[in-house]
Amino acid sequence: AQSVSQHNHHVILSEAASLELGCNYSYGGTVNLFWYVQYPGQHLQLLLKYFSGDPLVKGIKGFEAEFIKSKFSFNLRKPSVQWSDTAEYFCAVIPGSSNTGKLIFGQGTTLQVKP
Amino acid sequence: EAGVAQSPRYKIIEKRQSVAFWCNPISGHATLYWYQQILGQGPKLLIQFQNNGVVDDSQLPKDRFSAERLKGVDSTLKIQPAKLEDSAVYLCATATSPENTGELFFGEGSRLTVL
Repeated sequence: AQSVSQHNHHVILSEAASLELGCNYSYGGTVNLFWYVQYPGQHLQLLLKYFSGDPLVKGIKGFEAEFIKSKFSFNLRKPSVQWSDTAEYFCAVIPGSSNTGKLIFGQGTTLQVKP
Repeated sequence: EAGVAQSPRYKIIEKRQSVAFWCNPISGHATLYWYQQILGQGPKLLIQFQNNGVVDDSQLPKDRFSAERLKGVDSTLKIQPAKLEDSAVYLCATATSPENTGELFFGEGSRLTVL
């Protein structure tokens, strides 16, 4: 079945550690890719997005993601996490070339950063 | 800029009862989505509106769920009768248009507990 998979359900890091959250999707053809973040007590918000061009995308708060088409992956990275990065992170996909805006989400990864 | 408003934030009901959730989008956002997020899972699309018309309701359990957006602004999502498995957070999200490249603005959600 077509899906979006996030490998890590719960990640615990110390401040200043490097972060990489995995995301794989099973849709063929053109896809638009996203990472959304939900900080404790807040609403979901867009962290970064990829449509085309440079496969290395930079988002807010020092996050970046790399699209590797051959691996159907869109992993999220940050060189040095902060306590304020504690949140739940969702990878999402819009399959197909026509953008209907209908996001298909992975199951999410909870990141806990210890001060 | 005011965000997406949802109410109620929390609702507890018994199975077979009915419940309604309300969403007020960001001014000017023509596209509105309702997502269901079950604990431990990513949000799943239930229905998409463009102005007051339904674009996609293929994943809406129509035997118990209904949604409307009569004047193309506010929207309500109703569940009648509720089942235990309907316990979830119901998220409303809006966008300026479906072509707006997947950047959705989410409300804080309405958490439903069915006993």
